[in-house]
Amino acid sequence: GESVGLHLPTLSVQEGDNSIINCAYSNSASDYFIWYKQESGKGPQFIIDIRSNMDKRQGQRVTVLLNKTVKHLSLQIAATQPGDSAVYFCAEKSEAAGNKLTFGGGTRVLVKP
Amino acid sequence: DTAVSQTPKYLVTQMGNDKSIKCEQNLGHDTMYWYKQDSKKFLKIMFSYNNKELIINETVPNRFSPKSPDKAHLNLHINSLELGDSAVYFCASSERTDLYGYTFGSGTRLTVV
Repeated sequence: GESVGLHLPTLSVQEGDNSIINCAYSNSASDYFIWYKQESGKGPQFIIDIRSNMDKRQGQRVTVLLNKTVKHLSLQIAATQPGDSAVYFCAEKSEAAGNKLTFGGGTRVLVKP
Repeated sequence: DTAVSQTPKYLVTQMGNDKSIKCEQNLGHDTMYWYKQDSKKFLKIMFSYNNKELIINETVPNRFSPKSPDKAHLNLHINSLELGDSAVYFCASSERTDLYGYTFGSGTRLTVV
């Protein structure tokens, strides 16, 4: 399944399936992007990052894809597990914006057993 | 051992009161942050400090005053609390200002009644 992470939509996914979480960013000068995961009652937790000179980066069960042409970032989670249920945020940074990390609106992922 | 710890975890107070939230990190990081998360889960930076020096001061009412007695601590004092201040406040730290894989605390849920 897919979702756009701007207004806290919810993505329901069956356990074992792959998840795709999308993020549209606005600043074409952004040079660095991060995905964070926030579980209920906890603070955001770093998942994976990517620099603007790359278009793909892989971690353990996660892949981030960056399309600078359309200013789009996605997080793919392979073989989604119940522990992946959380709110996922993309964040961007640009030197022009003072090198502050600016967070997107978040996407809630619910994993169905 | 909690890397970034905030106290209190919950804070319920009346309008007009003054309150403080404390944050401590034991990671040896140079940079600390305060973020505000509203009811729609939107995360916005408020302040950042690097080695006790204020680096980022977003458009935050001057009722909010951060204080960093040393690089391991960043406290947030709020005067004359208003209903709109109700939110979850997150403290975070990073090794330095140019590293963005922040470590977040578990948040302080402030409710102003």
